[in-house]
Amino acid sequence: QKEVEQNSGPLSVPEGAIASLNCTYSDRVSQSFFWYRQYSGKSPELIMSIYSNGDKEDGRFTAQLNKASQYVSLLIRDSQPSDSATYLCAVNLAGGYQKVTFGTGTKLQVIP
Amino acid sequence: GAVVSQHPSRVICKSGTSVKIECRSLDFQATTMFWYRQFPKQSLMLMATSNEGSKATYEQGVEKDKFLINHASLTLSTLTVTSAHPEDSSFYICSARTGGDSNQPQHFGDGTRLSIL
Repeated sequence: QKEVEQNSGPLSVPEGAIASLNCTYSDRVSQSFFWYRQYSGKSPELIMSIYSNGDKEDGRFTAQLNKASQYVSLLIRDSQPSDSATYLCAVNLAGGYQKVTFGTGTKLQVIP
Repeated sequence: GAVVSQHPSRVICKSGTSVKIECRSLDFQATTMFWYRQFPKQSLMLMATSNEGSKATYEQGVEKDKFLINHASLTLSTLTVTSAHPEDSSFYICSARTGGDSNQPQHFGDGTRLSIL
């Protein structure tokens, strides 16, 4: 089992819809979770951090964390074509010492 | 805030050349910096973790004599690809984290696209 798993996609949603991106992780005691967006040919940029169970909202983005089920998700409301990118989930796994472990990313396509 | 600058953005050079890439945290002190490599259509691969004032920790399979990392100050880390060959052509990305708290997010530079002819 991979330590941080994401569906590679592509996930296609129509413009204006809600995009739901999911991520599961292997270590129950992980403490910090991050979502990054990476456009093709560019480096990742941080969208959100989440540390506690529940929802955290920032503009059109909502991160959801469920530590008991070991998953973290990212919802994008009112999806725009400019949201088309690869979304990376990153988890600070216990025993990961200083580093976070990245998932392989989910490619999102927002269809105009 | 949390801006990371990486230079150069693109390098094209001949096989056998050594290439140095700089990563700077512009508005914060970065105790820890990370170096990644990403091949086309593949995921990020962590190469090494760099701590200010100490030796870098390399991931399994990454040659430390090939990829020299120096983190001499709290705002600068460098990666030198020594005697680069075509198979070293890739997208190299650095990231930096504030303080020593591993729960803080990493902030990425814009990356360096390295092409070895």
